Amino acid sequence: AQTVTQSQPEMSVQEAETVTLSCTYDTSESDYYLFWYKQPPSRQMILVIRQEAYKQQNATENRFSVNFQKAAKSFSLKISDSQLGDAAMYFCASTLLNAGNNRKLIWGLGTSLAVNP
Amino acid sequence: DAGVIQSPRHEVTEMGQEVTLRCKPISGHNSLFWYRQTMMRGLELLIYFNNNVPIDDSGMPEDRFSAKMPNASFSTLKIQPSEPRDSAVYFCASRDQGAGRNQPQHFGDGTRLSIL
Repeated sequence: AQTVTQSQPEMSVQEAETVTLSCTYDTSESDYYLFWYKQPPSRQMILVIRQEAYKQQNATENRFSVNFQKAAKSFSLKISDSQLGDAAMYFCASTLLNAGNNRKLIWGLGTSLAVNP
Repeated sequence: DAGVIQSPRHEVTEMGQEVTLRCKPISGHNSLFWYRQTMMRGLELLIYFNNNVPIDDSGMPEDRFSAKMPNASFSTLKIQPSEPRDSAVYFCASRDQGAGRNQPQHFGDGTRLSIL
């Protein structure tokens, strides 16, 4: 079965510093997509960044960037210049293509990030 | 643009009662997903629809759970009878599958369900 593993249940970072959240996945597919979602205390699920597996270039969205290592099946999220509003639960997810050519997401259990002032 | 709309935002009811959760996906999105989130099990996919047709309901925990999508703009998740262990946050998400394979799922604000 396809799995997504986030090995850090909790992380903390000082405001303005950089933090990296790890994610590894296990898939037999060659064409898949990876996502990081953020869930603040308001419980909304907000897309942070996405990566297509066929692209070698790491995705970047402002202060958020990924380190995508396809051979190692690793997809870590780097948050630069951390802000208090970055405090949230972060989920990593990978697509799974089923027999009907429909995609669903396989989710990690999340990493709780605290930002210290 | 309006996002995914879920109702109610909170529901508290006694065990044995029927519970109905509602979802309106983003207009034009043709895939709809129901999730359950708990501290112990994280985010679990219960069922998803493509073009109003259930594609994968393997995550539905038992026969007490049922989901319908009578049209492209509305879906319900029903629990009958409800039990305390059903207490969780239930999310609905939608996606525009036709817009490309990298399209993300867009989530509603969730329904926090408490069964006493």
